[in-house]
Amino acid sequence: KAGVTQTPRYLIKTRGQQVTLSCSPISGHRSVSWYQQTPGQGLQFLFEYFSETQRNKGNFPGRFSGRQFSNSRSEMNVSTLELGDSALYLCASSRQGSGELFFGEGSRLTVL
Amino acid sequence: SQQGEEDPQALSIQEGENATMNCSYKTSINNLQWYRQNSGRGLVHLILIRSNEREKHSGRLRVTLDTSKKSSSLLITASRAADTASYFCATRSGGSNYKLTFGKGTLLTVNP
Repeated sequence: KAGVTQTPRYLIKTRGQQVTLSCSPISGHRSVSWYQQTPGQGLQFLFEYFSETQRNKGNFPGRFSGRQFSNSRSEMNVSTLELGDSALYLCASSRQGSGELFFGEGSRLTVL
Repeated sequence: SQQGEEDPQALSIQEGENATMNCSYKTSINNLQWYRQNSGRGLVHLILIRSNEREKHSGRLRVTLDTSKKSSSLLITASRAADTASYFCATRSGGSNYKLTFGKGTLLTVNP
């Protein structure tokens, strides 16, 4: 069974640009969560989707948005990038009713 | 905001020794989980303990949970160099809260 796949793995952007990150969950997993990881703030919850509905959102500005498609694949978008958005963005999927998260390898974003 | 706080922040031991990491949290939880992260990679789920459980084992891992003290510990026995990684505790509250809240982690170094 293939794991959680995130693309791209690495990307470099400049301030003011926008970025879209993609996540393909494990087959059969309908819940997808996104986390931001930085050295200073650690792992911060961004949002969680289930069956194309956002069920929970973390304390991030509106520049951070996401969506989930009917095949459970998810994307997150960050607009008007700031230097502080440089981070490892992790996507995780889980089965309905299971507490365990399966993480992808992450997308490392560098904002210059 | 961080729910779990791991202690110590860093731990260095010799191969074959046991490693103990502690986690404290602030609010009521539904379950507590431990994850491992190798440098810059995705997180890997290790073990989940529910709020009505006090101890759980998985291979060389032993997790305890004390809900009265809002704390948990992870014991890795007979450590190996391959156990070198960051270890995070994560808590899930009940109700409609679908997110996991992570601590800042313990960096474990196992010296050969």
